[in-house]
Amino acid sequence: QSVLTQPPSVSGAPGQSVTISCTGSNSNIGAAYDVHWHQQLPGKAPKLLIYTNSNRASGVPDRFSASKSGTSASLVITGLQAEDEADYYCQSYDDSLSGSVFGGGTKVTVL
Amino acid sequence: EVQLWESGGGLVQTGESLRLSCEVSGFTFRSFAMSWVRQAPGKGLEWVSSISGSGGTTNYAESMKGRFTISRDNSKNTLYLQMNSLRAEDTAVYYCASQGGSGTFHEMDHWGQGTQVSVSS
Repeated sequence: QSVLTQPPSVSGAPGQSVTISCTGSNSNIGAAYDVHWHQQLPGKAPKLLIYTNSNRASGVPDRFSASKSGTSASLVITGLQAEDEADYYCQSYDDSLSGSVFGGGTKVTVL
Repeated sequence: EVQLWESGGGLVQTGESLRLSCEVSGFTFRSFAMSWVRQAPGKGLEWVSSISGSGGTTNYAESMKGRFTISRDNSKNTLYLQMNSLRAEDTAVYYCASQGGSGTFHEMDHWGQGTQVSVSS
């Protein structure tokens, strides 16, 4: 059971948009800790996608955007492309655990 | 270019020990916190441990406390994870990751390629 909750999977046709939610609590996202998003392509190491709630990492296309509000955050992929098929993880910090926490991951499938 | 390279993984028996290393290049190592993150087969990412840039602050996930020790040698640009009393459930790919600042709450901004740890019962 992950501290941050994500939907196990989302899917969309090429060109469509998908949204991935990340729900935390008052000891992590709600405690004003930033949310970051990572992309893991099949068989590869994770890669930072979004940092500090809404900032795209270097080289990340502007099809990827993210936001944070209250105890939740979300990642939006617009204009879905085949190469976006991957697992996506949100990451934050938790006061009560004194450490980083991850969501369980969301598998994005391009139909 | 930032590079992180893990080594030290392998196949061990339950109760044995392993020491993972992560050599880094391309940034001022001592200025940034570092973390270990693992991924069991078919599962998601799990934070293991973090250490501040100076090495003065360390944190561990609950199930690793007392068994794992994180450390760093800033003169060698190397991060370590000493793993003792290994269990079958520690089987995973272990990644090292640099963080975006000296504190352990920052984003994990660069990742290594991972090293496989397999614990056989």
